[in-house]
Amino acid sequence: DAGITQSPRHKVTETGTPVTLRCHQTENHRYMYWYRQDPGHGLRLIHYSYGVKDTDKGEVSDGYSVSRSKTEDFLLTLESATSSQTSVYFCAISESQQGRQPQHFGDGTRLSIL
Amino acid sequence: GESVGLHLPTLSVQEGDNSIINCAYSNSASDYFIWYKQESGKGPQFIIDIRSNMDKRQGQRVTVLLNKTVKHLSLQIAATQPGDSAVYFCAVHFGNEKLTFGTGTRLTIIP
Repeated sequence: DAGITQSPRHKVTETGTPVTLRCHQTENHRYMYWYRQDPGHGLRLIHYSYGVKDTDKGEVSDGYSVSRSKTEDFLLTLESATSSQTSVYFCAISESQQGRQPQHFGDGTRLSIL
Repeated sequence: GESVGLHLPTLSVQEGDNSIINCAYSNSASDYFIWYKQESGKGPQFIIDIRSNMDKRQGQRVTVLLNKTVKHLSLQIAATQPGDSAVYFCAVHFGNEKLTFGTGTRLTIIP
């Protein structure tokens, strides 16, 4: 299994509070991704990173920000959580994008916003 | 862009039989395809991939078939076992865009 650790695994918080999710990898892969998974939808990309301090938006980036200060860590922040952000969040890593390599996923963070 | 759909949201198969899970994609220029397995409470697990210059690729008990003419992808699991129960979904790569994921087929194994 790819060395990907997501923390926390579960979190319950209230609307309006800031939340930060962490993804840590031990594979030294260049690309890291944050997805959300909701019933009836395929995985949807929030943000991704193609190197330290290099990030870009995905299709559902509103209300989320990311940071990558080290190769191994990719943080996802909800600045002011809303109930629509209740979801399961997955981090993924890959060696290459243009080279068409698979993404490997962590086990997710289940986030509930009350 | 790209969109991905699966033919069946659920599939029940007798233990020991073969399973076939299907996926359709929209963009004929898509060039890389991946199948994932997701068990309850876990993240998607890579099963097998195939590039558009191939029609078939085999792994351990799994085969992926790519029909570019009708833009169809299938995953075949041989001699299905109880541990194969999971949600299976495909992902498709098109150009410089990011992976597009299907919504998945839940495979249930009947003892």
